[in-house]
Amino acid sequence: GENVEQHPSTLSVQEGDSAVIKCTYSDSASNYFPWYKQELGKRPQLIIDIRSNVGEKKDQRIAVTLNKTAKHFSLHITETQPEDSAVYFCAVSGGGADGLTFGKGTHLIIQP
Amino acid sequence: DAGVIQSPRHEVTEMGQEVTLRCKPISGHNSLFWYRQTMMRGLELLIYFNNNVPIDDSGMPEDRFSAKMPNASFSTLKIQPSEPRDSAVYFCASSLWIGSTSGNTIYFGEGSWLTVV
Repeated sequence: GENVEQHPSTLSVQEGDSAVIKCTYSDSASNYFPWYKQELGKRPQLIIDIRSNVGEKKDQRIAVTLNKTAKHFSLHITETQPEDSAVYFCAVSGGGADGLTFGKGTHLIIQP
Repeated sequence: DAGVIQSPRHEVTEMGQEVTLRCKPISGHNSLFWYRQTMMRGLELLIYFNNNVPIDDSGMPEDRFSAKMPNASFSTLKIQPSEPRDSAVYFCASSLWIGSTSGNTIYFGEGSWLTVV
């Protein structure tokens, strides 16, 4: 089955700096790559996603890049703010109706 | 839309008891997923349904776990008998799959926090 590796497990950045989280996957047939944010005690919520026919997607301070050849994708958060503190999960799907395979998560800490 | 609705939100039960978790997917969605989240194992897909039919239950840990979806608006995940190692947050999620191969957005419920003592 699909294997998703996510790094780092913990990331601490100064408020206003950028944060980058990286994921690699194993199945070259995978074609859907969402990112979820989970605050303490809450449910995972989709923040951005990218499909395999696109190399980059941006939504305000958040961007995702995809390198299908190397089988990795990254989440970029610029101008970080205290409310960005949370656990971020990458996920991978092969398309169709199947479920997502998640990375182990990155605990992002924004230092004031 | 009310989103994915799960019940109970919190449950504490004794080892050996039966536990039933319930889920109402987003109206109109045709795919439903059960996930389990623990610190050690992260988010694991247990089972998913498409048009009320179980498609892949390879993530169900053992025979003590079972899931049903009798209609498009209701699903249950049952653990019988429960054990302390089943303590986790169980998330139900749903999506609308339109037949494309480009993946579908999955929306999570608030989760059911299960503690087995």
